[in-house]
Amino acid sequence: KAGVTQTPRYLIKTRGQQVTLSCSPISGHRSVSWYQQTPGQGLQFLFEYFSETQRNKGNFPGRFSGRQFSNSRSEMNVSTLELGDSALYLCASSPGQGIGELFFGEGSRLTVL
Amino acid sequence: AQRVTQPEKLLSVFKGAPVELKCNYSYSGSPELFWYVQYSRQRLQLLLRHISRESIKGFTADLNKGETSFHLKKPFAQEEDSAMYYCALLGNTPLVFGKGTRLSVIA
Repeated sequence: KAGVTQTPRYLIKTRGQQVTLSCSPISGHRSVSWYQQTPGQGLQFLFEYFSETQRNKGNFPGRFSGRQFSNSRSEMNVSTLELGDSALYLCASSPGQGIGELFFGEGSRLTVL
Repeated sequence: AQRVTQPEKLLSVFKGAPVELKCNYSYSGSPELFWYVQYSRQRLQLLLRHISRESIKGFTADLNKGETSFHLKKPFAQEEDSAMYYCALLGNTPLVFGKGTRLSVIA
């Protein structure tokens, strides 16, 4: 089985721009979670989607949004980028909701200048 | 609220020495605890979970509800154990991670 795939792997944006990140889960997995990873804060939970519905949301501003499609693929969007949004954004999938075993992608590294 | 604390950012041990990576949690209910590992240039992956009570790559972890701890232990460290280790808790919200401990095994 192919693993979790995230695109793009690297991207550079400037302040004020917006960005969309994509995640394809493992085939058959219906739950997708997003995490922001930074050296200072570690892994912080952004969202969890299951069956195209956002089930949980972390403590991030409304500039961070996401969605899940009928094929379980997910996207997250960050609008009005700030320097502090520079991070590695990790997507993880699991067969169902509320499962602690997550399968992670390699991440999308976002740099905001 | 759920919280996971890993008090050590960096832990250096010599090859063959015992290893203990500390993890403390805060949660009022019955949690599920996990250890994840990220080797250099690899993706984050599950190492072990407390409910399976298994030993993976020589590592074990016991859930101590009285001390609210889930320390990761290995009797004899190997160079290939050098990695970033994250403790994680699944309670009534999605998986919450600690900030991680970087283990460096010195030859």
